[in-house]
Amino acid sequence: AQSVTQLGSHVSVSEGALVLLRCNYSSSVPPYLFWYVQYPNQGLQLLLKYTTGATLVKGINGFEAEFKKSETSFHLTKPSAHMSDAAEYFCAVSENTGNQFYFGTGTSLTVIP
Amino acid sequence: ETGVTQTPRHLVMGMTNKKSLKCEQHLGHNAMYWYKQSAKKPLELMFVYSLEERVENNSVPSRFSPECPNSSHLFLHLHTLQPEDSALYLCASSRSRVTGELFFGEGSRLTVL
Repeated sequence: AQSVTQLGSHVSVSEGALVLLRCNYSSSVPPYLFWYVQYPNQGLQLLLKYTTGATLVKGINGFEAEFKKSETSFHLTKPSAHMSDAAEYFCAVSENTGNQFYFGTGTSLTVIP
Repeated sequence: ETGVTQTPRHLVMGMTNKKSLKCEQHLGHNAMYWYKQSAKKPLELMFVYSLEERVENNSVPSRFSPECPNSSHLFLHLHTLQPEDSALYLCASSRSRVTGELFFGEGSRLTVL
């Protein structure tokens, strides 16, 4: 079975600072990788995804993530945090042989003015 | 209009009540899912339907009963729930059972008294 680990259940950054949210996964087959964002009282919204091809993936709202196979990581970054980025972020993995999704426990991002 | 719509958004019920959660997707997808989201736990997959056929049931107690009358609608019937069933219930859809990212609804917040 796959597993997803998100280091740090809470991350705080100052407005304008770099955002780095960490995600590591275990997979015995090439994975598909996703980042979702959840704003208060809402469902999950897809930020970006990696399936094949370029390992640096750009998503919505200025976020990007890099797939590093050797490190089994898919960390999410944004150069400059905005107040509106405050939310819960979930990393997810699925195998390319099916559509079974495995989610991390989430990282709550706080942006300090 | 959002792609996946869930009603009601909030539900409070006693342990002896019977209620239902409704999900409707307007994306033309063939697979629909019910997830349970509890605080500080990974999303728990409850049920998967593909082309109106239940293809997965992850050891969910029988007090939760899903129904998928067509590929656009998904219900979760609730009966004699327990307080520990209080959670956010998320509906999602994907292009098919074997491919495509998940598109989530905004969730139904359930409180069992």
